[in-house]
Amino acid sequence: QKEVEQNSGPLSVPEGAIASLNCTYSDRGSQSFFWYRQYSGKSPELIMFIYSNGDKEDGRFTAQLNKASQYVSLLIRDSQPSDSATYLCAVPQAGTALIFGKGTTLSVSS
Amino acid sequence: ETGVTQTPRHLVMGMTNKKSLKCEQHLGHNAMYWYKQSAKKPLELMFVYNFKEQTENNSVPSRFSPECPNSSHLFLHLHTLQPEDSALYLCASRWEGANTGELFFGEGSRLTVL
Repeated sequence: QKEVEQNSGPLSVPEGAIASLNCTYSDRGSQSFFWYRQYSGKSPELIMFIYSNGDKEDGRFTAQLNKASQYVSLLIRDSQPSDSATYLCAVPQAGTALIFGKGTTLSVSS
Repeated sequence: ETGVTQTPRHLVMGMTNKKSLKCEQHLGHNAMYWYKQSAKKPLELMFVYNFKEQTENNSVPSRFSPECPNSSHLFLHLHTLQPEDSALYLCASRWEGANTGELFFGEGSRLTVL
């Protein structure tokens, strides 16, 4: 059973700052990684996925992979109060469903 | 209707009741999933269906019984539940074989067992 670990937080940053969220995974063979955002009372939604061939940037979001240390990071630049949510890291299990971490709660203060 | 829809959104039941959760996806996906989300715990994968066939059952108690009559519909039948089964039950779907592996989630069914 693959495991995904995240610091549950809360992580508090001021508006405009960079928020850094980290996730470690147990299976060295994992090839793809997913970040979902979940607002309170809502379902998770995909915001970023990366493969093992490098980092990825999408607007204010950057996902970085460190395979040697088996962790993946999500950076949110110019954080906004609307970014306040729980961020879930996930990896595929046996090519089917995703296995999720507990999530990190981010709070952006204005 | 678009995306993944779940009904009911909220359900309160006693331990001796029998109820069902329904999920319908309008995305043309061929795989559907049930996840359980409890406070302070990760999303727990319960059941996986690919092309209507159950391919995974993550040691879920038999008081939870899934049913997938076709690739667009998924049910979770509930009977003699325990208070610790109170949680948010999320249905998700994806196209098996897609590189992104993106799961699309429904809004969830909030279950309270008294």
